[in-house]
Amino acid sequence: DAGVTQSPTHLIKTRGQQVTLRCSPKSGHDTVSWYQQALGQGPQFIFQYYEEEERQRGNFPDRFSGHQFPNYSSELNVNALLLGDSALYLCASSFSNIQYFGAGTRLSVL
Amino acid sequence: AQRVTQPEKLLSVFKGAPVELKCNYSYSGSPELFWYVQYSRQRLQLLLRHISRESIKGFTADLNKGETSFHLKKPFAQEEDSAMYYCALGSDSSNTGKLIFGQGTTLQVKP
Repeated sequence: DAGVTQSPTHLIKTRGQQVTLRCSPKSGHDTVSWYQQALGQGPQFIFQYYEEEERQRGNFPDRFSGHQFPNYSSELNVNALLLGDSALYLCASSFSNIQYFGAGTRLSVL
Repeated sequence: AQRVTQPEKLLSVFKGAPVELKCNYSYSGSPELFWYVQYSRQRLQLLLRHISRESIKGFTADLNKGETSFHLKKPFAQEEDSAMYYCALGSDSSNTGKLIFGQGTTLQVKP
């Protein structure tokens, strides 16, 4: 089992652009959560997907959206990128309230 | 509001010394607390979960509901314990798994 995999590992975008980040959960896990981790901070919850529906959402604007596919993989989309969106984006999959994290996607917005 | 506070950004100790990483939380319900660790160039991984009440790599953590704390302790630090440690709060309801993290404490164990 490869664990939680995320792609790409690094990404550079400019302000106003749109970005899509991808996550494959650990085998057998049906729930995917996304977190944003700014430099020097702890991860902040963006939202969680279960059975292809957004189950819970943190305090993030509508520019942040997501999707979960029937195979439980997930995408995070961010529209109209701002400089402040530069961060490490972490995906975590879970089965029984324990979250397993991917290595993250480092997004830089210039 | 739900909140996790880790008051120390950096904790530096010598090998063999005791370690205590502090974590305080704010939550109106019955909390579920975790400690996650991130070693250099590795992903965030679960270290301890309060309901399991086990010792992992010599670390223990006891939930104190009166003081709303979940401090991480180890009697004798090792150099390989050097890492970033995050305390995280989960909700006991609906098993949604949303985690609220503290800002993290870097533990530096000197030889």
